Amino acid sequence: GIQVEQSPPDLILQEGANSTLRCNFSDSVNNLQWFHQNPWGQLINLFYIPSGTKQNGRLSATTVATERYSLLYISSSQTTDSGVYFCAVGLSTGANSKLTFGKGITLSVRP
Amino acid sequence: NAGVTQTPKFRVLKTGQSMTLLCAQDMNHEYMYWYRQDPGMGLRLIHYSVGEGTTAKGEVPDGYNVSRLKKQNFLLGLESAAPSQTSVYFCASSSREVGEQFFGPGTRLTVL
Repeated sequence: GIQVEQSPPDLILQEGANSTLRCNFSDSVNNLQWFHQNPWGQLINLFYIPSGTKQNGRLSATTVATERYSLLYISSSQTTDSGVYFCAVGLSTGANSKLTFGKGITLSVRP
Repeated sequence: NAGVTQTPKFRVLKTGQSMTLLCAQDMNHEYMYWYRQDPGMGLRLIHYSVGEGTTAKGEVPDGYNVSRLKKQNFLLGLESAAPSQTSVYFCASSSREVGEQFFGPGTRLTVL
């Protein structure tokens, strides 16, 4: 099956710093999502980004499908950004759109 | 518009007991999924459904059964719970046209 690797596994930031989270995957994908799992366990959709670049406030994401990676940028980090960030990929957007998740990146933003 | 909801939020079972987890979505999505999340790991797919009355196995289906009798509901059953099934269970749904999945709040299950 498809392999998903996220790096770094852990990240500690001072509030206000910027960071880049990386997701590498082993096969061509037609579905890629970034999630934030907050300290209460809730999974929050950040981006649906099988290709291209998107921005939402302080967050942006870029997927280069031909090179099999995606990047999540967090600018001016806040303590509320703490939690685990997951990248998940799927081979299809149709009937087989089941996702394979990476192991996640644990982000701690300190005040 | 509640999105994806899961019942119950927490449950403790003894080994050998059975239970059913309920997932409901109000977005008229065709596809629904059950995942489990274990400590230090990402989510792994248990079973999924591409429509009412149809189900299929995911990555870790053993010990679980599912049913999709109504489009908006997806049930996950444990017939004889084992300690290895202690986990957090997430349900998700997506539309046929767009693969973006939306997740419920999760059910934390402990099997003693």
